[in-house]
Amino acid sequence: GNSVTQMEGPVTLSEEAFLTINCTYTATGYPSLFWYVQYPGEGLQLLLKATKADDKGSNKGFEATYRKETTSFHLEKGSVQVSDSAVYFCARSTLGRLYFGRGTQLTVWP
Amino acid sequence: ETGVTQTPRHLVMGMTNKKSLKCEQHLGHNAMYWYKQSAKKPLELMFVYSLEERVENNSVPSRFSPECPNSSHLFLHLHTLQPEDSALYLCASSQLSGGTDTQYFGPGTRLTVL
Repeated sequence: GNSVTQMEGPVTLSEEAFLTINCTYTATGYPSLFWYVQYPGEGLQLLLKATKADDKGSNKGFEATYRKETTSFHLEKGSVQVSDSAVYFCARSTLGRLYFGRGTQLTVWP
Repeated sequence: ETGVTQTPRHLVMGMTNKKSLKCEQHLGHNAMYWYKQSAKKPLELMFVYSLEERVENNSVPSRFSPECPNSSHLFLHLHTLQPEDSALYLCASSQLSGGTDTQYFGPGTRLTVL
């Protein structure tokens, strides 16, 4: 099938801590993979994407690598900030359709 | 104006009211989408329009009626809604070109049905 599974939150970290949010997917073929972020009271913003195996997407200090062998696209950041507090959604795309994970709430404390 | 805009940002309506949500994209895309985001539920794709033609309707009740008059505008007409329809309604657009088909989202309309 076409599904995305991401780690359940909430995730609570102190400022400057290391962040990992796991995401795995099931799909036939070679989907494109995305991380979207939703800040409080706002819509979804594209954070980063990768379109083929071994690609690394990166933006604002966040990174995720397309791992075909493990069907994963884990989100990482070396040093989180209070302003990173938001909900993070992993998604995959096939033929123009986006399939989202359930979202992971991240709260960063000063 | 850039990206995807949505109006109104907040809407409160009674169950007998008729209202419309508006979405406009300034990205030159050829596909537009309506999503529903409810608390503690996954994002639900409601409708997909490609080149102004509806190509997908995911079993959405008829009290939701989409309209796509051109490639830049998308409406969601609402009538006789139920309290369980209260949610954040998100519009998105993309360029369907066989590439990554990245979708770009608007800020959403927070709908409350009394």
